[in-house]
Amino acid sequence: ETGVTQTPRHLVMGMTNKKSLKCEQHLGHNAMYWYKQSAKKPLELMFVYNFKEQTENNSVPSRFSPECPNSSHLFLHLHTLQPEDSALYLCASSHRSSGGRLTDTQYFGPGTRLTVL
Amino acid sequence: DAKTTQPPSMDCAEGRAANLPCNHSTISGNEYVYWYRQIHSQGPQYIIHGLKNNETNEMASLIITEDRKSSTLILPHATLRDTAEYYCIVRVIAYNQGGKLIFGQGTELSVKP
Repeated sequence: ETGVTQTPRHLVMGMTNKKSLKCEQHLGHNAMYWYKQSAKKPLELMFVYNFKEQTENNSVPSRFSPECPNSSHLFLHLHTLQPEDSALYLCASSHRSSGGRLTDTQYFGPGTRLTVL
Repeated sequence: DAKTTQPPSMDCAEGRAANLPCNHSTISGNEYVYWYRQIHSQGPQYIIHGLKNNETNEMASLIITEDRKSSTLILPHATLRDTAEYYCIVRVIAYNQGGKLIFGQGTELSVKP
């Protein structure tokens, strides 16, 4: 247990469905991230939220829409996905410190295995 | 962030030390070396990180060469549960920067009985 939970753990959806992935961190962190891992490929960063503000969008298609209502919760809203979007979606969190030793170590959740039919 | 090079796969006997090398010859002075591992289809697990000095925690030791161009992750007594993909990542840590972790091709460690 890393203190980062993700729900659901598995999701199967059709191309016309709308679904959302949820991530919650219990670590008191102030930065949250979405990563995508397709089969046999390295993790790819999708979005970064720093103090609830989106600071990075790594050229992600608009059918993926992130939401960060507070520093403990992160959502990824999915709409009109394609079969090639099937992947493991991972959430991570870290503590961005302005003073002292800057660790910014990211801790990952278990991921949501998404299958788009 | 600097690029890293790792061997694609390694074997280790259960109970023996696993030594995983990583080359990062273009590392800059303000870049840290991080190690994560990923067991099949699970989220990556943080192991250890360091800047210049050798580091040790309950999971592993990190040995960084004096010129910082390479490092070695040591799992002192490998178990079957240590079988995983191990990633060496070099990154800057600074407030108000992207915070990216760029995962390249790691080392697939197989611990055998």
